[in-house]
Order: sequence, then C-alpha cells, then structure tokens
Amino acid sequence: AQSVAQPEDQVNVAEGNPLTVKCTYSVSGNPYLFWYVQYPNRGLQFLLKYITGDNLVKGSYGFEAEFNKSQTSFHLKKPSALVSDSALYFCAGAPIHGAGSYQLTFGKGTKLSVIP
Amino acid sequence: DTGVSQNPRHKITKRGQNVTFRCDPISEHNRLYWYRQTLGQGPEFLTYFQNEAQLEKSRLLSDRFSAERPKGSFSTLEIQRTEQGDSAMYLCASSPSGTGSYEQYFGPGTRLTVT
Repeated sequence: AQSVAQPEDQVNVAEGNPLTVKCTYSVSGNPYLFWYVQYPNRGLQFLLKYITGDNLVKGSYGFEAEFNKSQTSFHLKKPSALVSDSALYFCAGAPIHGAGSYQLTFGKGTKLSVIP
Repeated sequence: DTGVSQNPRHKITKRGQNVTFRCDPISEHNRLYWYRQTLGQGPEFLTYFQNEAQLEKSRLLSDRFSAERPKGSFSTLEIQRTEQGDSAMYLCASSPSGTGSYEQYFGPGTRLTVT
C-alpha cells in the first residue's frame, strides 16, 4: 500500500525567512510526487510535481521541492516566505506503473503560518 | 472560468436520504477522479474514469455509492441511504491524457452534512 507522511501538523515561519514543509513517501517502485496548496473555501491548487529527471523541481509562486530517493523524501521549500503563503499544504504521491498509478495518496496536510 | 466545477457547493441532508453531486471537468480532460476529504485529513481516492469507463474503485466506495460519467464529460456521484459518517467534502479532479500530464486539477468541492 502507498503512504505519504507529513510529520508536522503546523509550521510557523517569520516573513522573509526560508520555509520547509516536510514530506516522506512509501510508494512501490518509482513515484510521481506532487505538492498542492489549499486556501480556505477553495479547492486544492497544484504547485509542483516530480516525475523523473532533476531532483530539484521548481513550481508556482517561487516554491521548489527536492526529491531524495535514499531518504524517500520530497520536502517543499521557499527561500523567502510571504504572509500570503499561509495555507494548508498537501504532499501526494502515486506509483508510475501498475495498479493505482492514477490514485493520488495524500498526506494529512501541514498548516503553514507565516508571521509578519 | 475554465476550471473544474462542482455542484452543489453545500448539501445538508437527513440520514437515510439519497444525494447526488455533479462534477464538470476541464473540457479537454478525459480523466476524471472523485476523492473524499474529512476534517484534518488529506483527500482519499474514491474512483477514476477514463472517458466514460470507470477504471478504478477504492474499497472506500461502498455499495451505497455509485458514480457515472455517461458521455465522458460530466460525472455524477450518488450516495444512497446517507449515514452521518458520509459527512465530508467530496472533491472532483480531472487531468488530460498523454505523456507528461500527470497532475490532477481539483474543483472547489461539495461539502455534505448528514444530520
């Protein structure tokens, strides 16, 4: 079975400081990995994805994530946090091949609060 | 707006009643997904369509749940004999087929409250 873990329920960071939101995964074979953001009363918005290739992927709004196969991690990062980045962040994964390859498995989410 | 749309946005029903939700995907997307999200949890996969064919179903999708996508465009999710445990946000997503198109685009969701 696939699983995605986000070990922190909440992350607080001061505006202008770098931020990291952690994610680890257990996906059979090679994974697809994604980050989504959810603002209050709005749907999930796609931020970035890792499919293959360069381990550092860049996405929307200045976010980036680093795929680390040996640590089975896919942490979300941003060099300088904005107050507007405050939201709920979800990591998701799926296997590249086989059954379930279109089923995204999500973590529980991490609430990011950027303090002015 | 050319995103995924869902109707209704909110539904309050009494236990035992049937409810139906509708999802309109992004027009050129032939893959459509349903997820359920409860408070404090990430979305959980329910089912997946490619065009009109329902290709995958989660064991979460009990026999009280049925989903259709009759013409490969919009989809409906029906819950029969609702229970309080069905209270959740029901999310629809769509994606195109083809190489490199793996991310799913989500609608705003339908929040179901069963009293």
